[in-house]
Amino acid sequence: QVQLVESGGGVVQPGRSLRLSCAASGFTFSSYGMHWVRQAPGKGLEWVAVIWYDGSNKYYADSVKGRFTISRDNSKNTLYLQMNSLRAEDTAVYYCARSAVAGNPLIAFDIWGQGTMVTVSS
Amino acid sequence: DIQMTPSPSSVSASVGDRVTITCRASQGISSWLAWYQQKPGKAPKLLIYAASSLQSGVPSRFSGSGSGTDFTLTISSLQPEDFATYYCQQANSFPLTFGGGTKVEIK
Repeated sequence: QVQLVESGGGVVQPGRSLRLSCAASGFTFSSYGMHWVRQAPGKGLEWVAVIWYDGSNKYYADSVKGRFTISRDNSKNTLYLQMNSLRAEDTAVYYCARSAVAGNPLIAFDIWGQGTMVTVSS
Repeated sequence: DIQMTPSPSSVSASVGDRVTITCRASQGISSWLAWYQQKPGKAPKLLIYAASSLQSGVPSRFSGSGSGTDFTLTISSLQPEDFATYYCQQANSFPLTFGGGTKVEIK
């Protein structure tokens, strides 16, 4: 069964750090680009970051550039999002998602995790 | 960045109705557009990719069309399980961007 399971969310104070994880199973993780997408409470979807299947390229939304780092460990079938200097506006449900076509990091997101909530508040 | 503008922001419809949602890109994106359905408290679900390709397992009452800057998602006969929010997303270039969503509500 193809599955993504996020973990690591929680309540954190502004300026602090948090690392999210996304465990993949049921497919060849090392063949797919992977993304993080977030959704603030009651708001729409916002793409956050992408990493190529082999980790060779990464892109970020301007809103998180310089503060967030996406990475992956293909030996552990796990995707990460290191979030530093967190702000109130980073409060959201964070989803990891798979690129729909192996080797193509664009096109669409066909598999999504259940999401993990990050709340930035003092 | 490419801006995606959906229309309308919400629509009220009845079971059996034909529903059409549009999405306009601020610049040409060829056919690099995807549509998602999201229900409250759930992750989004991919419906359509590359503007008109139906994702595996998605009912055939969903269809997509368009290219360049103007795109359409059509539900040919609305079913009770289709009441949800629908998002378009451009897949032409980074940063990837979503439209603000169209909520399909029960009339």
